[in-house]
This record gives sequence, C-alpha cells and structure tokens, in this order.
Amino acid sequence: AQTVTQSQPEMSVQEAETVTLSCTYDTSENNYYLFWYKQPPSRQMILVIRQEAYKQQNATENRFSVNFQKAAKSFSLKISDSQLGDTAMYFCAFTDGSSNTGKLIFGQGTTLQVKP
Amino acid sequence: GAVVSQHPSRVICKSGTSVKIECRSLDFQATTMFWYRQFPKQSLMLMATSNEGSKATYEQGVEKDKFLINHASLTLSTLTVTSAHPEDSSFYICSARKAWGEAFFGQGTRLTVV
Repeated sequence: AQTVTQSQPEMSVQEAETVTLSCTYDTSENNYYLFWYKQPPSRQMILVIRQEAYKQQNATENRFSVNFQKAAKSFSLKISDSQLGDTAMYFCAFTDGSSNTGKLIFGQGTTLQVKP
Repeated sequence: GAVVSQHPSRVICKSGTSVKIECRSLDFQATTMFWYRQFPKQSLMLMATSNEGSKATYEQGVEKDKFLINHASLTLSTLTVTSAHPEDSSFYICSARKAWGEAFFGQGTRLTVV
C-alpha cells in the first residue's frame, strides 16, 4: 500500500524568507504523480504544484519549487520569498498512475505560519 | 482551471435526521468524484469513490448505509449522511476528476449535528 508522510506538523518562517516542507512516500509503482496542495483558513484545497514521476526535472511554479528525489522517495516543497498569504496547511499527495483510479493519498499535513 | 461547487457550505441538523451534500462540476464532465472527511487540523480521509452510473466504492471502515453516495450524472454526485449523530459532525470535501488529470476540490461542507 502506498503511504505519504509529512514529518513536520508545524513550521514558521519570516516574511520574504525561504522555507522547505518535507514529504516522503512509499510505493512500489514506477508510474505515479505527486502533488502539493495548500489549504488556507477558508479550507478550500488549492493545487500548488504537481510532479510526474517519469520527469527528472523538478517542477516549478513561480515562488514554489520541488526537490523530487525518486530513489529516496522524497518530494519536498520550497517556498521562496514567503508571503503572508502563504499561511496555510500544506498537504503532500500521491496518486498511482498505473491503476488510473485518480485516488489521492494525502500526508498528515504541515501547518505553515508566515510571520510579518 | 475547472470549477467544482459544493453545497451547502454549512449545515446544522438534529440528531437522527439525514443531510444531503451536493458536489457539482460546473464546467467539465467528471467521470469520477471523491468524498473526503476532514477533522480539525488533520488530513483528508478518503471515504469513497463515486463513479457515474455505477455503485460507489467505499474505503475500509466507512459504513455504506450511513453515507449514501449517488452519482447520477457526469456533473453531480451527492453524499447523504443518514440518521446523523454528533460523531458525524465534521468537514466533508468532494473532488471531481476529469477523464485523466488533476482533481479539483469543492469548497467543503461543515456539518454540525446537534
């Protein structure tokens, strides 16, 4: 069974600084997708970034980038130039590309506080 | 991006009554929808996978008769919490998936059973 682990329940960062959120996962599949979702206080789930396992290049979306280490099964999220609006709970998620169920498996979440 | 609308956003009901939550994909057809439950400051727990025109697939430990799911069209899935009790109080979130691609989430429904 696939699992996703986020070992940092809470983190904080000063505005404009950089922070990295950790995520590890376990799977025997070779074809899969990884995601980072943001859940602000409104509780609306927002996709931050996605990574296809077959791509070696790390995904980037403006201030957000990932460090995807396939052999180590690690998928960390780096937020650069942190903004107050980045305050939210962040979830790492996995989906199996082979079975095509689209089922997302979430990590426990990391609450990020950006301080002014 | 695609839009998924979930209704109602908040509902308070009396113990023993049933509550229906709707999840609609507004600008795309969703072959599959998912229902999650989330407790405060915790992760999303998948309850069931809803496929249009067929029975939902429930995760282990989720009572099928308690949480009725209907996916009658490619744009609408409903979750009915039957004979609700205070322990069913939670935040329920749906997501809808295109034929292949990312899942898009509804705004969530906060259910309070009194």
